[in-house]
Amino acid sequence: DTGVSQNPRHKITKRGQNVTFRCDPISEHNRLYWYRQTLGQGPEFLTYFQNEAQLEKSRLLSDRFSAERPKGSFSTLEIQRTEQGDSAMYLCASRTSGTGFYGYTFGSGTRLTVV
Amino acid sequence: AQTVTQSQPEMSVQEAETVTLSCTYDTSESDYYLFWYKQPPSRQMILVIRQEAYKQQNATENRFSVNFQKAAKSFSLKISDSQLGDAAMYFCAYSPNNNDMRFGAGTRLTVKP
Repeated sequence: DTGVSQNPRHKITKRGQNVTFRCDPISEHNRLYWYRQTLGQGPEFLTYFQNEAQLEKSRLLSDRFSAERPKGSFSTLEIQRTEQGDSAMYLCASRTSGTGFYGYTFGSGTRLTVV
Repeated sequence: AQTVTQSQPEMSVQEAETVTLSCTYDTSESDYYLFWYKQPPSRQMILVIRQEAYKQQNATENRFSVNFQKAAKSFSLKISDSQLGDAAMYFCAYSPNNNDMRFGAGTRLTVKP
């Protein structure tokens, strides 16, 4: 297992188009997180899954955003009708649940540019 | 509101010297976790060190150590014997619930040869 994988690495799209990102977590990790990071800021929590269940969504996740994790493996994050304000790095992270919290393993992110 | 504040947008250190990055947080919880993450120019976040709030002993990982002051809600990172590879953005993070993490805005560390 080579870690958390995110595709694509970069995405340029026109305003109003839909985009979808994919995250493949570490295989034994049952929790998967999506964060958004804008330039000069720290990551902001969007949503997380435990197995296939989406357990929490941030208020940052507007109705145009949807995330899925079918079968509790990979996850997709879709943004509909993209806006220029959606331009950011979208980070995926994973971990195992259970006793103790040893942080996440992050992917390299997908950089979205909306033009 | 539970927030994480990193008051130093940029820091610079001479190679082989020591540097301390500051972090304060706001919480009403008594038990929580604190982390420092490093984000090199390749953008992948890497865990540097973690601290459990109920442990008074400061965490240490090789050249990296923390000064955890629970009453002051302060969690600074000390990097000893700085190396060129330490140059990166450093993010302080707080987790109140053993689940999601809240990050500060980051400190950009430059290491001068």
